[in-house]
Amino acid sequence: AQKITQTQPGMFVQEKEAVTLDCTYDTSDQSYGLFWYKQPSSGEMIFLIYQGSYDEQNATEGRYSLNFQKARKSANLVISASQLGDSAMYFCAMREFAGGTSYGKLTFGQGTILTVHP
Amino acid sequence: NAGVTQTPKFQVLKTGQSMTLQCAQDMNHEYMSWYRQDPGMGLRLIHYSVGAGITDQGEVPNGYNVSRSTTEDFPLRLLSAAPSQTSVYFCASRERGGLYNEQFFGPGTRLTVL
Repeated sequence: AQKITQTQPGMFVQEKEAVTLDCTYDTSDQSYGLFWYKQPSSGEMIFLIYQGSYDEQNATEGRYSLNFQKARKSANLVISASQLGDSAMYFCAMREFAGGTSYGKLTFGQGTILTVHP
Repeated sequence: NAGVTQTPKFQVLKTGQSMTLQCAQDMNHEYMSWYRQDPGMGLRLIHYSVGAGITDQGEVPNGYNVSRSTTEDFPLRLLSAAPSQTSVYFCASRERGGLYNEQFFGPGTRLTVL
């Protein structure tokens, strides 16, 4: 079964508008972390935002916020005031606690291509 | 700090050839990993290491070998390249422990196997 599901292969948004990228996850662990990465056309992976499973408040980093709904196992990324430079592939990823340790393993979703129109 | 570096950036191989993708980090991170990125499938873990001398398999290890003789270096070896290994390969590192610790990625190596 897919551990991380991103159901939107592509999304379009008008410049200066907000957009939500969906991510649902599947885990039986109580301790886990959720990450969002941006991959522009140049190919590098850029860390955007993190949410821990025990964090009570939604994470925010500048124009990025994570809408964390633990009961629904969803961790959607919200980008406010979209800019042309936000056009990129976005990946949701999860790190599970793995039985008392947390190795370097991230499980990624398939990604969503965001296109920002002027 | 150079962060995570990977060489080469691009490589074309013929089926059956062998090669080593190099990865180095200068952040003294204990954890290092290799991922491959294929269209429509996100990144998948190939192998990872939690310290010098310790490696383990990830989700898609077949056809790849790794070793970790130093903290800094984590090379990925393709023993006999196959067209199915055409992909973009990312090396990553992070500090030991903790769910939060950010994973730092290298710039990637684009490999084509003919």
